[in-house]
Amino acid sequence: QVQLVESGGGVVQPGRSLKLSCAAAGFSFSSYALHWVRQAPGKGLEWVGLISYDGNNIYYGDSVRGRFTISRDNSKDIVFLQMDSLRPEDTAVYYCSRGDPATHTVSDFWGQGALVTVSS
Amino acid sequence: ETVLTQSPGSLSVSPGETATLSCRASQSVDTKLAWYQQKPGQAPRLLIHGASTRATGVPARFSGYGSGTEFTLIISSLQSEDSAVYYCHQSKHWPPITFGQGTRLEIK
Repeated sequence: QVQLVESGGGVVQPGRSLKLSCAAAGFSFSSYALHWVRQAPGKGLEWVGLISYDGNNIYYGDSVRGRFTISRDNSKDIVFLQMDSLRPEDTAVYYCSRGDPATHTVSDFWGQGALVTVSS
Repeated sequence: ETVLTQSPGSLSVSPGETATLSCRASQSVDTKLAWYQQKPGQAPRLLIHGASTRATGVPARFSGYGSGTEFTLIISSLQSEDSAVYYCHQSKHWPPITFGQGTRLEIK
């Protein structure tokens, strides 16, 4: 079955960096787009960004563009979220999700999430 | 950016009854509208995509309707396990992909 497992979360000071990983299993990883979506404590869902199946097309939400970088390693079935210049408002659970095969833009399977806390 | 506005913010419904959740888009999204269910401490789960197509394994009690700017999620024969927050999501005009603010459903 489809599995997505995030790792790398933790507590980080403002201005510092953190890199999340999402390991996939149970599907043909290199054929699917992957998303990152975050959820601040007690708040709703916010789309962070998307990377295409081959990594050639990457899109970001306005609040993270220029600070966050999405990449993938199709040889290892892993997608990454590099977060630089972190701010307290980046504190959230970060989910990776698989883009649906038809449109690539609907998240049809989700990981369990990784908590990132930005605090001094 | 396409803004999605969900209503009501919360509702409480008795078991066995029907809940109606709404989502309004700030511009037409055709049928590029999905619904997700999120239970406390869990990741979201896809319920509906293409405005009306149930995702794999989703019970027929969940139905989606609408196109353009007005959408509805109807949950019939409510069960206690349906208590959750429900989000709509659009992918017509992106980036960014956007979510509604959520509707909290309580089964009383």
